[in-house]
Amino acid sequence: EPEVTQTPSHQVTQMGQEVILRCVPISNHLYFYWYRQILGQKVEFLVSFYNNEISEKSEIFDDQFSVERPDGSNFTLKIRSTKLEDSAMYFCASSLWEGGTDTQYFGPGTRLTVL
Amino acid sequence: GESVGLHLPTLSVQEGDNSIINCAYSNSASDYFIWYKQESGKGPQFIIDIRSNMDKRQGQRVTVLLNKTVKHLSLQIAATQPGDSAVYFCAENTISGSARQLTFGSGTQLTVLP
Repeated sequence: EPEVTQTPSHQVTQMGQEVILRCVPISNHLYFYWYRQILGQKVEFLVSFYNNEISEKSEIFDDQFSVERPDGSNFTLKIRSTKLEDSAMYFCASSLWEGGTDTQYFGPGTRLTVL
Repeated sequence: GESVGLHLPTLSVQEGDNSIINCAYSNSASDYFIWYKQESGKGPQFIIDIRSNMDKRQGQRVTVLLNKTVKHLSLQIAATQPGDSAVYFCAENTISGSARQLTFGSGTQLTVLP
């Protein structure tokens, strides 16, 4: 069964450093998403991406964040200058959006620890 | 603001019993609802979904009920097994322009007792 994959599984970085989190969505999916989950809290929407551009972003997704689909398979989230409060699990998701529904399938996540 | 939330943070059931996990939502414009299961250290796993034009949908051992009048969702798990132990989230899918974002509830920890 096809699945969303993410690398690395765990990223440790110093405050102020740039990080890039990588995702390979399900191959025939057209819509891509990033969510984050701070430890013990609920999953929060960050950004959605379709047709090579951002469709929607939340208040969390400020100028420090960017997304890119550099080739036909990868989808990345870049945090330019990490802050302590960026420490969280980051989940990538993808969907096909057919039949009027948008079932989003999630990857296993990247645990980001900012020191 | 709009929110999706769960009534109970924890639920313990005996193996073999049925489980019922509840969820309240507040955005009456939401038209699609999803239940996800999240095991420790893993990403949310799709369980079952329901569109707002339905009030019940059944899957394998799971049933989702939607009551739009009171903005309430429930997930019923039949014959609960140890592998069902996880955090369960309801999420609502909100149309916003051409994008659809999921708004998650805070989750219910289901523990299956032997």
